[in-house]
Amino acid sequence: SQTIHQWPATLVQPVGSPLSLECTVEGTSNPNLYWYRQAAGRGLQLLFYSVGIGQISSEVPQNLSASRPQDRQFILSSKKLLLSDSGFYLCAWSGAGRSYEQYFGPGTRLTVT
Amino acid sequence: QKEVEQNSGPLSVPEGAIASLNCTYSDRGSQSFFWYRQYSGKSPELIMFIYSNGDKEDGRFTAQLNKASQYVSLLIRDSQPSDSATYLCAVSRGWSSASKIIFGSGTRLSIRP
Repeated sequence: SQTIHQWPATLVQPVGSPLSLECTVEGTSNPNLYWYRQAAGRGLQLLFYSVGIGQISSEVPQNLSASRPQDRQFILSSKKLLLSDSGFYLCAWSGAGRSYEQYFGPGTRLTVT
Repeated sequence: QKEVEQNSGPLSVPEGAIASLNCTYSDRGSQSFFWYRQYSGKSPELIMFIYSNGDKEDGRFTAQLNKASQYVSLLIRDSQPSDSATYLCAVSRGWSSASKIIFGSGTRLSIRP
């Protein structure tokens, strides 16, 4: 069965510091991968998605970036965090092709101070 | 108009009763519809998906889709306290391999003993 991991689970970072969040998927090949952010009491905002290694599409222009160095690895980064970057960051995967269901990892709760 | 609209709640239902959650969407080209359950502080969990008009049943859960009226609903029979959570409605056009999903802001459901 498929498993999705995210780390770290929680993170407290000062404004202006860099960020690196990692997501890995097990038990499937060539998944579609997604990064979402959920601000407190808000809905899910799609940040990036990827259909393959090195293929990244950005949904919201901001100071975040994403990379997919391996088939089942997805990384979210920032060079300088802003207070507004605080939130619950969720990685999700779906099967390639006609598999539209997305499955979420446990998430990373980021607080920027 | 939001792309996916849900009543934020809270919706309070007595234990053992039927909980009815509703969602409307604006894009007539939508093809895939999902219900996620999210407990406080946790990531969303996919509980139902439906692609065709009509009803789809899975245990105590029934998803209902009416494309002509652009609404999708989730019924939870024999509601249990463990059903208390926020329920996210999500919609996808499913027209690309990345199959982006648009989420509603969620309805908070509270099952009272």
